[in-house]
Amino acid sequence: QVQLVEPGGGVVQRGGSLRLSCAATGFTFSTCAMHWVRQAPGKGLEWVAVLSYDVTTDYYAGSVKGRFTISRDNSKNTLYLQMNSLRTEDTAVFYCARLRAGGEGLDVWGQGTTVIVSS
Amino acid sequence: SYELTQPPSVSESPGQTARITCSGDALPKQYANWYQQKAGQAPVLVIYKDSERPSGIPERFSGSSSGTTVTLTISGVQAEDEADYYCQSTDSSGTFVFGTGTKVTVL
Repeated sequence: QVQLVEPGGGVVQRGGSLRLSCAATGFTFSTCAMHWVRQAPGKGLEWVAVLSYDVTTDYYAGSVKGRFTISRDNSKNTLYLQMNSLRTEDTAVFYCARLRAGGEGLDVWGQGTTVIVSS
Repeated sequence: SYELTQPPSVSESPGQTARITCSGDALPKQYANWYQQKAGQAPVLVIYKDSERPSGIPERFSGSSSGTTVTLTISGVQAEDEADYYCQSTDSSGTFVFGTGTKVTVL
């Protein structure tokens, strides 16, 4: 079964750090570009970052550039998001998602994990 | 920064046609994709490359493009289609951007 599973996020103080993970099953993870997308409470979707299948290319949203780092371990079929210098406005549900073969559209999504940054 | 603009809400009676627009300057050059998000759930891709439908998505969902506007059409809207809908595309640097979102209400 094609699936992305994100273990629990957590509560962290402003200025702190947290690493999210996303475990892939049921497909060849090492051939897929992967994204992180977040959604603040009551708000719309916000794209966060993307990493190519071979780890050569990454892009970030301006709101997280320099603070967040996307990475992956293809031997473990796992995607990561290292979040540093967290701000209260980073409070959101974070989703990992797979870019579909052919390069358009995110066709598989994790269930989402909640990150709360307290002041 | 690049923006994709959607109407905040669309309402339609069951069996009628609901249309959701998404406007952005780069849309003539970049594909658009559409996602459905029901309350408390992760988004689901319903249209990619402007008008292609993934397997498992009902035929009542269709997409079209004209100039700087793309449109998601739900023909014969059903109660189960009540959800938030987001368009998504890429900007000139290749980074993703989501639209502002549209809440579809089935009256």
